[in-house]
Amino acid sequence: QVQLVQSGTEVKQPGASVKVSCQASGYIFNTYGFSWVRQAPGQGLEWMAWVSAYNGNTLYAQKMRGRLSVSTDASTGTAYMEMSDLRADDTAVYYCARDRGSAWHIDYWGQGTQVIVSS
Amino acid sequence: DIQMTQSPSSLSASVGDSVTVTCRASHYVGNFVSWFQQKSGNAPKLLIYDASTLQSDVPSRFSGSGSGTEFTLAISGLQPEDFAHYYCQQSFSDPFTFGPGTKVDVK
Repeated sequence: QVQLVQSGTEVKQPGASVKVSCQASGYIFNTYGFSWVRQAPGQGLEWMAWVSAYNGNTLYAQKMRGRLSVSTDASTGTAYMEMSDLRADDTAVYYCARDRGSAWHIDYWGQGTQVIVSS
Repeated sequence: DIQMTQSPSSLSASVGDSVTVTCRASHYVGNFVSWFQQKSGNAPKLLIYDASTLQSDVPSRFSGSGSGTEFTLAISGLQPEDFAHYYCQQSFSDPFTFGPGTKVDVK
């Protein structure tokens, strides 16, 4: 069965960077991509970025471009999201989700990773 | 960017009721709309994709319709486990934006 298992809670100071991992299993890794979605406390879902596990192509939400990098490692079946220059309003739960991208749809989600940005 | 709006933002209903949530896109999105259910503290769950296709293992009381810019999610015969937040998302063009959500709670 498809499973996406994310890394654990991160607590960071403002200005620091964070890297979240998403270990995929139960399917052929490079036949899908990954979307990254975040949810601030009490708020809705915000799409951040997408990466292809086939060729590494990426798409980013404009507001995060420059601070955000998404990638995959086929040798370990893992997707990564790295965000730099963290601010307090980056405090959120970050989700990876299996997604083939434009004209397709998210079908499986990771359990979420809490990122807390606080001094 | 394509903006997605949802109405209502919240609704109260009883077990057995039928409810409808509407999602509108600011621009044409074809039928590339998905609906997700999220219960408190959990990851979202896919209910419907391509506007009207039911994801496997999702009960048939859930249905979706629409195309172009207007979409609906219907739940016929609410069950206790259906009280949750519901989100639409377009995957027609990036950024793949979500609607702000609709909370369905107990009347």
